[in-house]
Amino acid sequence: AQSVTQLDSHVSVSEGTPVLLRCNYSSSYSPSLFWYVQHPNKGLQLLLKYTSAATLVKGINGFEAEFKKSETSFHLTKPSAHMSDAAEYFCVVGSGSARQLTFGSGTQLTVLP
Amino acid sequence: DGGITQSPKYLFRKEGQNVTLSCEQNLNHDAMYWYRQDPGQGLRLIYYSQIVNDFQKGDIAEGYSVSREKKESFPLTVTSAQKNPTAFYLCASSINGGQPRSYEQYFGPGTRLTVT
Repeated sequence: AQSVTQLDSHVSVSEGTPVLLRCNYSSSYSPSLFWYVQHPNKGLQLLLKYTSAATLVKGINGFEAEFKKSETSFHLTKPSAHMSDAAEYFCVVGSGSARQLTFGSGTQLTVLP
Repeated sequence: DGGITQSPKYLFRKEGQNVTLSCEQNLNHDAMYWYRQDPGQGLRLIYYSQIVNDFQKGDIAEGYSVSREKKESFPLTVTSAQKNPTAFYLCASSINGGQPRSYEQYFGPGTRLTVT
C-alpha cells in the first residue's frame, strides 16, 4: 500500500521569497516520486521526478525537491517565487503497481505582490 | 507535436443522459488513465488500461464505462447511473514499463462536465 500526505492545503508567499511545499509519503517499495503543477482549468504538468538516482532533483521553472528516505519526505522548494508560480501543486507517489500513481490532495500556492 | 487531446473542453448535459468524453494520444504510450477531480480535491482514479482491449476499475468506477479498442484512444462514458457526474475529468497516459517501476503520466487539458 502507498499513500502521500501534503502537509499544507494552502501556502502564501510574497513574490521574490522562497517557496516550500511539504510532502510525506509511505510506500512498501522503493518509490518513484513526482511533483505536478496545475493552473486553473488546465491539465497537470510534470515539474520533476525522483526515480532512485540523485536525491536532489531539479525540475522546470527553478523548482527542486529533495528525497529524504529517513524522513519519508519529498518537499518542493524554489528560491524565489514568481507571480506565475501561483497554482495548485500535487505530490505523487508510485510504487510500481499496475495502478501506477497515488496523488496527494494538493497544495494551493498563492503569490502576493 | 506529441500529446494528449481531450474534447470537448466544456460539456453540458441533462440529468439522465449518457455522455462520452474523448481522449486521444499520439505519444505511443501503452497505458491510459481516467481521473475525476472535484473542487479542492486531488485526483481520483476511475479506470485505467495497460494494453489494448484490456482495462481495470479504479477507485470510483461505478457509473462509468470505458473501452480501449485502439492504442491511441480511451473514451470514457458517464452513464445516468453516476450520481454526481458534474466534475473536471482528466485523461492521462504513460509508458507501461511494467512493475516495479512507476513512470510519469502525461495529462490532457481536461473536460469540464456539467450535468443539470
